[in-house]
Amino acid sequence: DIVMTQTPLSLSVTPGQPASISCKSSQSLLHSDGETYLYWYLQKPGQSPQLLIYEVSSRFSGVPDRFSGSGSGTDFTLKISRVEAEDVGVYCCMQGLHPPTFGQGTRLEIK
Amino acid sequence: QVQLQESGPGLVKPSETLSLTCSVSGGSISSYHWSWIRQPAGKGLEWIGRIYTSGNANYNPSLKSRVTMSVDTSKNQLSLKLTSVTAADTAVYYCAREPADWGQGTLVTVSS
Repeated sequence: DIVMTQTPLSLSVTPGQPASISCKSSQSLLHSDGETYLYWYLQKPGQSPQLLIYEVSSRFSGVPDRFSGSGSGTDFTLKISRVEAEDVGVYCCMQGLHPPTFGQGTRLEIK
Repeated sequence: QVQLQESGPGLVKPSETLSLTCSVSGGSISSYHWSWIRQPAGKGLEWIGRIYTSGNANYNPSLKSRVTMSVDTSKNQLSLKLTSVTAADTAVYYCAREPADWGQGTLVTVSS
């Protein structure tokens, strides 16, 4: 299985400041169809995961533009340009090759 | 937007079979693939498998020998069966229409 490694595992950010989370995969996520199936989710306390970014860099409907995704191959990054209080929760990357696997999660808290 | 709701027993005895249902509303179950994912308390997410409305399914190799998924298009429902459960199968179980639509999850505890 592809191992997804996230860093850091926790973040404490002042509102208005940026945040960045790294996700590295143990093998390339580039599919033979040319797509890279890397997703980012936010799981708020007591809720199911909500999709933020799909296929590396496409922002899902309704997701604020302060969230952005980038990367290729095995190295991926989620960036929040200006953290807000509502952004607290656990951020998780997921790869969509078989079988799909998830990163350990990065807990973001507000200072 | 489609809504998903998991249901089933919250407590299952060791060695027995865990059975869950996912009811889909707000859209047809046809022409999509549907997944089950679980999350032990305080731990990360684990993909269990995916089923297509054709009936074909892909399972996580780590669970393949114990998992069966099915779909009932007439009822707009999915089902998950996991046999020979142990305490390690205690988790919140989610159904999802990958990648965006997830149910709220249901906690299943394996205990005698």
